[in-house]
Amino acid sequence: GENVEQHPSTLSVQEGDSAVIKCTYSDSASNYFPWYKQELGKRPQLIIDIRSNVGEKKDQRIAVTLNKTAKHFSLHITETQPEDSAVYFCAASPRRAGSYQLTFGKGTKLSVIP
Amino acid sequence: GAGVSQSPSNKVTEKGKDVELRCDPISGHTALYWYRQSLGQGLEFLIYFQGNSAPDKSGLPSDRFSAERTGGSVSTLTIQRTQQEDSAVYLCASSLKRDTDTQYFGPGTRLTVL
Repeated sequence: GENVEQHPSTLSVQEGDSAVIKCTYSDSASNYFPWYKQELGKRPQLIIDIRSNVGEKKDQRIAVTLNKTAKHFSLHITETQPEDSAVYFCAASPRRAGSYQLTFGKGTKLSVIP
Repeated sequence: GAGVSQSPSNKVTEKGKDVELRCDPISGHTALYWYRQSLGQGLEFLIYFQGNSAPDKSGLPSDRFSAERTGGSVSTLTIQRTQQEDSAVYLCASSLKRDTDTQYFGPGTRLTVL
C-alpha cells in the first residue's frame, strides 16, 4: 500500500518569512495529493490540492509543487502570518478501485512567530 | 449548508466496554470514510463506504472494530471490548462520490479509554 513521509515534523518561522513542507510517497499510481490544515482542536480542512497532470498550483500565498518522477510534493506558504500557525498534513491517493482513501503523512506543526 | 457532523464529541469509557460513534455526512455525499488520529500522529484510514457497495474494511486494526452505514447516509463505528490503545480522535469524512477529490471532515469524536 501507499506510504507517505512528511518533513519536518515541526517548523518555526518569523512572520513574513516563507515556510516549506515536503512529502514523499511510495505508490507510483498515486495521482491526487491534497494538503490539509488542522488548527488545535478543530477538524482538518483542505487548503490546496494537486493532481498528477499538473506540476504546480498556486492559491494566493499557498502553492504546491509535484515531482512525479521523484515521487515528492511540497507545500509553500509565503508571507506567513500568525494565523497560519497550525498542523499541516499532506496526503496521497491512487483513486483506483479499492484505494480511494487518503494516506496521510504524520503532520508538520508550523509556528509563525510574530 | 451543514457540514459533516459527529457525535458524541467526547467519549470516556472503561476498558472492556463497547462504544458507538456516529457520523452524519453531508447530504447527498455517497462516499463516507472513517479515520483515526492518535496523539501527535497523522490520520489513519479505517474504513470507507460508497453507496450500496461492499465497504472497504482494509484499514480496520482488529475484529473488535466494525462499522455500518444505514440507508446510504448515517454511519456508526463500533468498537467492542475497548482497549487503552483505542484512545484517539475518530474522524469521519464524506465526499460527493468515491472518486471525487475533496473529502470534508467532521469535528471528530475524542475517545478516551480508562
